[in-house]
Amino acid sequence: ETGVTQTPRHLVMGMTNKKSLKCEQHLGHNAMYWYKQSAKKPLELMFVYNFKEQTENNSVPSRFSPECPNSSHLFLHLHTLQPEDSALYLCASSQGFSGGGNEQFFGPGTRLTVL
Amino acid sequence: AQSVSQHNHHVILSEAASLELGCNYSYGGTVNLFWYVQYPGQHLQLLLKYFSGDPLVKGIKGFEAEFIKSKFSFNLRKPSVQWSDTAEYFCAVKALEDMRFGAGTRLTVKP
Repeated sequence: ETGVTQTPRHLVMGMTNKKSLKCEQHLGHNAMYWYKQSAKKPLELMFVYNFKEQTENNSVPSRFSPECPNSSHLFLHLHTLQPEDSALYLCASSQGFSGGGNEQFFGPGTRLTVL
Repeated sequence: AQSVSQHNHHVILSEAASLELGCNYSYGGTVNLFWYVQYPGQHLQLLLKYFSGDPLVKGIKGFEAEFIKSKFSFNLRKPSVQWSDTAEYFCAVKALEDMRFGAGTRLTVKP
């Protein structure tokens, strides 16, 4: 148990659906992250929140919308996705974003399939 | 922007063989380096990390990695692998406020 939980673990959605992914960390961390993991590609950092403020947005399409209501919870709202968005979406947290030694703790991921 | 290269996509070894997985990065400044492992059906977890001091870093489960600054490398090693080491291994590099992962190397250990 890493202390980072994600729900749902699997999600199948049509291109016109709206859904949300949820992440919760129980580690008292201040930074949270969304990554996209596609087969045979590097993990792609999508969003970073540090003390509830978004500090990174790596050119992610607007059909992905993050929300961080507090430092323990992170959401990824999805709407009008494309089939190429099918991937494993990972949430992670760390003590802080700055500071090189801050390792990230990962959740189990949500396997998303867009039909 | 920095990049991280893991040259081996899939490595197959027999038990007790020695392991070395390559990781190279392209950033010229100060970096912090990580190796993560993802066992089948499990989440990513940290194996070891380097951020300063001794460039030879020891991690969990008998793994170690050596930071060679002149070669921009942080290769992962284990002298004798076990079947339970079968997993995917990811190198990651943090520079300034940017964190990048490699594409991963799948390790299969045959019993």
